[in-house]
Amino acid sequence: QVQLQQSGPGLVKPSQILSLNCAISGDSVSTNSAPWNWLRQSPSRGLEWLGRTYYRSKWYNDYAVSVKSRITINPDTSKNQFSLHLNSVTPEDTAVYYCARGVEVAGAPSPGYYFDYWGQGTLVTVSS
Amino acid sequence: SYELTQPPSMSVSPGQTASVTCSGDKLGYKYVSWYQQKPGQSPVLVIYQDFKRPSGIPERFSGSNSGNTATLTISGTQAMDEADYYCQAWDSSVVFGGGTKLTVL
Repeated sequence: QVQLQQSGPGLVKPSQILSLNCAISGDSVSTNSAPWNWLRQSPSRGLEWLGRTYYRSKWYNDYAVSVKSRITINPDTSKNQFSLHLNSVTPEDTAVYYCARGVEVAGAPSPGYYFDYWGQGTLVTVSS
Repeated sequence: SYELTQPPSMSVSPGQTASVTCSGDKLGYKYVSWYQQKPGQSPVLVIYQDFKRPSGIPERFSGSNSGNTATLTISGTQAMDEADYYCQAWDSSVVFGGGTKLTVL
């Protein structure tokens, strides 16, 4: 059974860096079969995918266009976890943040992608 | 960018069938997943690849996808099924619908 345990501060000041960790049990961050994702949810933006990290002989990252200039997702193989760093935050970044395991599905004409395991969520408030 | 549209809310009587829709351009050519989210909890995957159920999800949950519409069907709806439901697909990136609040009354 895969479990994802999130940790990190719930309050971040505007213009600073939002940092969260997601510890994985029951799987490996280095697996060749699963991307590791960050998402967030707010009343104004709904559920929003932020990005992912995955290993396919080397490490790759994909980021959502909306946050691409401000986001970094890093794996930590020594601790079997991955992290989210979002810089230059504003109150618009206030949301519940989730980590999740992704599943890729080969298909034509369009591949599939979904999330089978989620972390418990972390409410992050951006406020001075 | 690609959009998925869901009705904001719907209600169903206990024991009846609830059909939650998700519409998008040529959605039938994409794989659709559905998530259930109860207040204060993380989303839970209830349907993936249009109609497949993860282990532990009751058989009353089913899915279909054709044309421009995917549908999550809950047969014999129970009070415990009251929740928000989100559809999700992939179109060069992850896309979520806005969610449907299902009320069982």
